[in-house]
Amino acid sequence: DIQMTQSPSSLSASVGDRVTITCRASQGISNYLAWFQQKPGEAPKSLIYAASGLQSGVPSRFSGSGSGTDFTLTISSLQPEDFATYYCLQYNSYPYSFGQGTKLEIK
Amino acid sequence: EVQLVESGGGLVQPGGSLRLSCAASGFTFSFYEMNWVRQAPGKGLEWVSYISSDGTTIYYADSVKGRFTISRDNAKNSLYLQMNSLRAEDTAVYYCARDKAMGGVWGKGTTVTVS
Repeated sequence: DIQMTQSPSSLSASVGDRVTITCRASQGISNYLAWFQQKPGEAPKSLIYAASGLQSGVPSRFSGSGSGTDFTLTISSLQPEDFATYYCLQYNSYPYSFGQGTKLEIK
Repeated sequence: EVQLVESGGGLVQPGGSLRLSCAASGFTFSFYEMNWVRQAPGKGLEWVSYISSDGTTIYYADSVKGRFTISRDNAKNSLYLQMNSLRAEDTAVYYCARDKAMGGVWGKGTTVTVS
């Protein structure tokens, strides 16, 4: 099974900051990597698919990169609505696996 | 409006059973692969199960294999999760999510408490 290691587990930042979250797969997954945002009490929302594809309606300040085992999610200029928990997901092979999450908090 | 609505959650004793449902509307359900994902209280997301659009291909997480059964009825635009031999660690919000990589719509979830 593929393990996904996400870092950091939590992050404090200010509005306007550029932040990067990383996700490492225990084996190569090509570009079968997605990123999700989840706010308290809500269902997850898909941000990025295929490592770098921006879902429709997602602001362009979100971007993803990587291939193989190492991936990043970057938010270029944090907005107040971006404070949430972020998860990566590998969908290269079953069983699918999520990273443990990164909680992005206001500094 | 594209929508998924889960139902069937509740309080059940250890060893008991529940059947979750996910009702789809606003899109052609039979065209889409579907997944169940769960989230224990205060914890992260855990993928539970996948079913292909025609129901012929199914996968499960090791944690539920042999106890949970995913199924679908395309005529009724519905996805199901039959959960047997429930354990305390199955306590979670259960979400259904459309598409192979869950990039489509998600339901709001249904809560299962095993106690």
